[in-house]
Amino acid sequence: GAVVSQHPSRVICKSGTSVKIECRSLDFQATTMFWYRQFPKKSLMLMATSNEGSKATYEQGVEKDKFLINHASLTLSTLTVTSAHPEDSSFYICSARDLRGDYEQYFGPGTRLTVT
Amino acid sequence: AQSVAQPEDQVNVAEGNPLTVKCTYSVSGNPYLFWYVQYPNRGLQFLLKYITGDNLVKGSYGFEAEFNKSQTSFHLKKPSALVSDSALYFCAVRDQGGDMRFGAGTRLTVKP
Repeated sequence: GAVVSQHPSRVICKSGTSVKIECRSLDFQATTMFWYRQFPKKSLMLMATSNEGSKATYEQGVEKDKFLINHASLTLSTLTVTSAHPEDSSFYICSARDLRGDYEQYFGPGTRLTVT
Repeated sequence: AQSVAQPEDQVNVAEGNPLTVKCTYSVSGNPYLFWYVQYPNRGLQFLLKYITGDNLVKGSYGFEAEFNKSQTSFHLKKPSALVSDSALYFCAVRDQGGDMRFGAGTRLTVKP
């Protein structure tokens, strides 16, 4: 099946710094990628939809200047958490939709961000 | 907008017994329905989906789900639970071309 990778799997950063998370579709092309945030023992919250070559669409309440999303190619989307604060600590999961129109979304393994 | 509800936060079953994890949905038009499983500190693993066709969908690891249009439900089932099935299960719904929305999740615990 289709594989989505995320890097890094875990990251610890200090308050005020920025951290970049990469999401790659390894064996398929994805015009659309999604970024989710998951709080402990909670469901996934859609943060933004990333479209290749255009600006991301952010969900209500998600700060676009804080969570910068770039989808520069059909296989790579990045999420940069800028000026991180401890409350940004969370599990971030990306997902990619196959260009071939498969209705299924493929999920990455997630990135655990801890801001100290 | 589409939405999905998982009415149970927690489901406990004994190993070998059948299990059911409930899901109801709301969507305009024809629904695309999914079940995913998540193990601790891991991403989501796809179990099964309903797009069209037979209402009974069979998926990975012996799981199945039945699409019931009149009850707007898509309950996940397995005839005989394993301890290794213990995990967090998410139901998701999408309308055609739309974003996927997840339920709150149900924690399944299978006891030996």
